[in-house]
Amino acid sequence: QSVLTQSPSVSGAPGQRVTISCTGSSSNIGAGYDVHWYQQLPGTAPKLLIYGNSNRPSGVPDRFSGSKSGTSASLAISGLQAEDEADYYCQSYDSRLSDYVFGTGTKVTVL
Amino acid sequence: QVTLKESGPALVKPTRTLTLTCTFSGFSLSTSGMRVSWIRQPPGKALEWLARIDWDDDKVYSSSLKTRLTISKDTSKNQVVLTMTNMDPVDTATYYCARQTVDSSGYYYLEYWGQGTLVTVSS
Repeated sequence: QSVLTQSPSVSGAPGQRVTISCTGSSSNIGAGYDVHWYQQLPGTAPKLLIYGNSNRPSGVPDRFSGSKSGTSASLAISGLQAEDEADYYCQSYDSRLSDYVFGTGTKVTVL
Repeated sequence: QVTLKESGPALVKPTRTLTLTCTFSGFSLSTSGMRVSWIRQPPGKALEWLARIDWDDDKVYSSSLKTRLTISKDTSKNQVVLTMTNMDPVDTATYYCARQTVDSSGYYYLEYWGQGTLVTVSS
């Protein structure tokens, strides 16, 4: 069950900036739990993109940035490139379920 | 270099028990703070967290699946094993194991992932 809601799809032309939202509730993001983001290229395993709301692992381009406010979080991709076409998932922890929870996923299409 | 690899049957009959093994290298699950989780993804659907096991053998299961799941570790073999009982076609999915890392706020994220193994439940 996905308790974090993401828009199903977002698209943009190369070079543009797109934003992906992740909406939770008072038992997960709103409770202060960190949000992490994963990129899943077609046919591959997810890859860590952002951890601790806004931190990029080594090797992740600074075109990717994350933020969190209230019960939501966002992932922004600036200078969109063809290689960014993938599914993106947010993830946090839910205290009511005592589970790690994922978002519903957002497909990014580069026009 | 941290690597993880899942192994197990590609096809399981309904009502049977699934056993998956995650074999890893580059870290030891006996080291303080280490944690490994299992996650699954039905075809075309979102990720779902299943279970995790810590270096001190602490275990936590998904609230929706905990009656069917068992996670264990063999530190000497660098392996984590997940069993899921009473398999159903809706359990058809790619199953991933991942090593978790704790961030500066004390929350764990899934830093390293295996390639995944597709399990189909069908008679």
